[in-house]
Amino acid sequence: DAKTTQPPSMDCAEGRAANLPCNHSTISGNEYVYWYRQIHSQGPQYIIHGLKNNETNEMASLIITEDRKSSTLILPHATLRDTAVYYCIVKYGTPLVFGKGTRLSVIA
Amino acid sequence: DTAVSQTPKYLVTQMGNDKSIKCEQNLGHDTMYWYKQDSKKFLKIMFSYNNKELIINETVPNRFSPKSPDKAHLNLHINSLELGDSAVYFCASSQIETIPTYTGELFFGEGSRLTVL
Repeated sequence: DAKTTQPPSMDCAEGRAANLPCNHSTISGNEYVYWYRQIHSQGPQYIIHGLKNNETNEMASLIITEDRKSSTLILPHATLRDTAVYYCIVKYGTPLVFGKGTRLSVIA
Repeated sequence: DTAVSQTPKYLVTQMGNDKSIKCEQNLGHDTMYWYKQDSKKFLKIMFSYNNKELIINETVPNRFSPKSPDKAHLNLHINSLELGDSAVYFCASSQIETIPTYTGELFFGEGSRLTVL
């Protein structure tokens, strides 16, 4: 799997957009970008995934650069319940391999 | 209804004992997994079963033996428990559209915290 690089931690004010970056400069053409999050002591939760195009669902938006070497997960209106570790994963043909992720703290 | 359920949620036991963790999914998925999250919070895949057949077996000691009686269940049995086995074990399931693309979203259980004394 291609490796990903994420900042270890970020803060975001409640109600503001949280923009979580991920670098995956060695991504292969058939590898997808996945985002999961893990709220304290719970099992990881799927957020969104994409290949080339930007994606949006009820939880978040995923912006993938044209060269696919980086992406950004956007939580449009962060709440305190969005405080979690967010994992960016790129993969094809193998199950999820989790890195260290970004610990997002949403502050009131 | 819980989609992926694990039992027990907490397990405290002595070194050398044998223990099992059970996992059941009611999503109709064909693939199930066991992940281990250690004290440093790294999540590592251990096993994956597709339609009751083992398809992934990472470098895990032989003391760990998964059993899949049907595609809705994947149990994890651990023999001769060691201190280093203390961790949170997560079960997950997904629907694999085609192998080996594995593009299906994973649904995780709430975890089973194992403490070996």
